[in-house]
This record gives sequence, C-alpha cells and structure tokens, in this order.
Amino acid sequence: AQKITQTQPGMFVQEKEAVTLDCTYDTSDQSYGLFWYKQPSSGEMIFLIYQGSYDEQNATEGRYSLNFQKARKSANLVISASQLGDSAMYFCAMREVYMDSNYQLIWGAGTKLIIKP
Amino acid sequence: EPEVTQTPSHQVTQMGQEVILRCVPISNHLYFYWYRQILGQKVEFLVSFYNNEISEKSEIFDDQFSVERPDGSNFTLKIRSTKLEDSAMYFCASRTSRLATSDTQYFGPGTRLTVL
Repeated sequence: AQKITQTQPGMFVQEKEAVTLDCTYDTSDQSYGLFWYKQPSSGEMIFLIYQGSYDEQNATEGRYSLNFQKARKSANLVISASQLGDSAMYFCAMREVYMDSNYQLIWGAGTKLIIKP
Repeated sequence: EPEVTQTPSHQVTQMGQEVILRCVPISNHLYFYWYRQILGQKVEFLVSFYNNEISEKSEIFDDQFSVERPDGSNFTLKIRSTKLEDSAMYFCASRTSRLATSDTQYFGPGTRLTVL
C-alpha cells in the first residue's frame, strides 16, 4: 500500500527566509505522481505543485519548487523568500492509480507552517 | 479562472438527519471526487465518480453515503442518517483528462459539517 509521511507537525520560519517541508513516500509503482497542497486557516485546499515520477527536472511554480530525490523517495517542498501569507497547513499527497484513467489521492498528515514577521 | 464551488460552507445538523452537500465542478471536467477531513486528521478519500457512476469508493463510503450528478453541473454527496463521527470538512474535487498520469485534482473550498 502506498504511504505518505510528513515528519514535521509544525515549523516556525522567519519572514523572507526559505523553508523546506519534508515529504517521504512509499510505493511499489514505477509510475506515480506527487502533489503539494496548501490549506490556509479558512480551510480551502489549494494546489501548489506537481511532480511526476518520470519527470527529469524538479518541478517549479513561482516561489515553490519540489526537491525530488527518487532514490530516497522524498519530495520536499521548498518555498523561497517566505511571506506572512504562506502561514498555513501544507499537505503532501500521492496519486494512487486504480484504473488507467482514474486515481485517488493518498495524503500525509500535514505540516503547519507559521511565518514570523 | 474556473473553480470548484461548494455549498453550503457550513452545515449544522442533528444526529440521524439526512444532509446533502452540493458541489459544482469545473465545467469541462470529467472526474469528480469527495474527500473528507476530520478536524486535526488526514484527508481521506471517499468516492470518485465518472460517466455517471461510481468508479471507486473507500471503506468509509458505506450504505449511508450516496453520490449523484442530478444535472449537467451539480455533484452531490448525501449522508442518509448522520452520525457524530461524520462531523468533518468535506471537499469536492474535479479534474479533466483521461490520463491518470498527467492531471491535477482541483478542490472546492469545502463544506464544514457539524453533527450535534
């Protein structure tokens, strides 16, 4: 069975510093995908970034980048130049394919990030 | 930018009552999902829906739950007889594309269900 582990329940980071949120995963599939979502205190789930297992480059989206280390089965999210608005819960999720055209997401427990001014 | 919408944002109900949570997925999307997140816990998959039928469901999605796409835009989750443990945030998500390897699920803002 697939599994996602986020070992940091909470983090405090000074504004403008870079922050790395850890995510490790376990799967026997050769083809898989990893997602990061942000959940502010208002509760909505916001998609941030995606990394496919066959992607040769690490994914980047603006201030977000994914440090994908396939051999170590880790997919850490890096936020550069953190801002106060980055304070939120961050979830790592993995795609679990159950048929060729569909999948569900398996989720980690999340990391609560607080940016200090 | 198109987005998934959900109503209501917060639903309070008495134990044993039926509730219907509503979602409007992004208009050209083909796959629809419900997830739930009990306060302080992980997000859990409930069900996925494609081509007007359930394509996968979790152990959580028992006979008390049902989903429906009553028209071309709405996607609903019904809980027939709510229990205290059904209290959670319920997220609807949708995605396009037939290729599982290349697509992202976009989430609605969630409905917070409180069962008293």
